[in-house]
Amino acid sequence: ETGVTQSPTHLIKTRGQQVTLRCSSQSGHNTVSWYQQALGQGPQFIFQYYREEENGRGNFPPRFSGLQFPNYSSELNVNALELDDSALYLCASSVPSGEFYGYTFGSGTRLTVV
Amino acid sequence: DQQVKQNSPSLSVQEGRISILNCDYTNSMFDYFLWYKKYPAEGPTFLISISSIKDKNEDGRFTVFLNKSAKHLSLHIVPSQPGDSAVYFCAANLRDYKLSFGAGTTVTVRA
Repeated sequence: ETGVTQSPTHLIKTRGQQVTLRCSSQSGHNTVSWYQQALGQGPQFIFQYYREEENGRGNFPPRFSGLQFPNYSSELNVNALELDDSALYLCASSVPSGEFYGYTFGSGTRLTVV
Repeated sequence: DQQVKQNSPSLSVQEGRISILNCDYTNSMFDYFLWYKKYPAEGPTFLISISSIKDKNEDGRFTVFLNKSAKHLSLHIVPSQPGDSAVYFCAANLRDYKLSFGAGTTVTVRA
């Protein structure tokens, strides 16, 4: 059983540019969530996708957008990058069920905006 | 809006002793609480969870206690081992699978 994989692992972008981060969910998991973890803080929920539809969104501006594909992999797109977007971006997958077993997280993409 | 708080940024404990990590929350509607462990350059790894209808859950060396009246939960690690040195995050869920995380506590286990 493969876990959650994210690419790239590290990325440096210039302010104002656009970035796409990718995530392959764990086998059998149809729900993907994205989190932003700034330095010294806990992960903050960006949004979640279930069966290719956005299923909830945190307090992030519209320049943060996403996609989920039929194979349940996902992308996070950020437009007009700002310095404060520098963070670790985590993808997590799960399977909705009566008992909540938590997410499986990937290792993250470290984004640096200069 | 910080609904989950970990007020101790760090904890140092001697190998073999008990580690106690604390977490407070403000939203009484949370129905699951989880602890995650994170090593550098890795994603958070699920450790243990507890439903809001329980007050204790145990898994090997790890026990989570929930005090709903105080809106407080704690994680006990007994005995602490060097491999337990990591950042521990407390998280809470509202039945919609979106997690609210605390800021984390860095645990260092001394030999």
